[in-house]
Amino acid sequence: KAGVTQTPRYLIKTRGQQVTLSCSPISGHRSVSWYQQTPGQGLQFLFEYFSETQRNKGNFPGRFSGRQFSNSRSEMNVSTLELGDSALYLCASRGGGQGNYGYTFGSGTRLTVV
Amino acid sequence: QKEVEQNSGPLSVPEGAIASLNCTYSDRVSQSFFWYRQYSGKSPELIMSIYSNGDKEDGRFTAQLNKASQYVSLLIRDSQPSDSATYLCAVFPSGTYKYIFGTGTRLKVLA
Repeated sequence: KAGVTQTPRYLIKTRGQQVTLSCSPISGHRSVSWYQQTPGQGLQFLFEYFSETQRNKGNFPGRFSGRQFSNSRSEMNVSTLELGDSALYLCASRGGGQGNYGYTFGSGTRLTVV
Repeated sequence: QKEVEQNSGPLSVPEGAIASLNCTYSDRVSQSFFWYRQYSGKSPELIMSIYSNGDKEDGRFTAQLNKASQYVSLLIRDSQPSDSATYLCAVFPSGTYKYIFGTGTRLKVLA
């Protein structure tokens, strides 16, 4: 069974640019979440999607956005990149009822903003 | 007060010993609790979930939950050098659709 697939694995962008990250969840999983991981802040929740609907959003500026497609694949976009956006971006998917199953994480996309 | 607190460590234990990792949380509504293991440079991997008060065992791992005292712990028996990693505690407050993670405890198992 394929896991959560994130592309690309690594990205280097310049300040002011925008970036789109992609996530394909485990087959059959309809809930997809995104997290940002940095050494200073740890894992911070960005947003969660279920059946193309955003059900929750973390405390990030509007430059961070996401969406989910009908096949449950998800993308997140960061516009007007800042140096502080450099981080590991993790996508996770979950099946089953609310809170009753743990999330499976992808390998992440490491974004470096220069 | 942070919502989920963990001692950052490092926690060093000799090979074969029991490693005890602790986590406290502030949200009394939380229903679901998880432990993730993260090796350096890798993504978090789910190792235990617990939803009810008491102990839950899976191989060398035991998760303990005490909702009245708002803490969750993870015991690793017969610790191995391969257990050396950062262990993340995650709380899933009901109705929020998100994890709240602690900052993790770094475990070192000394051969």
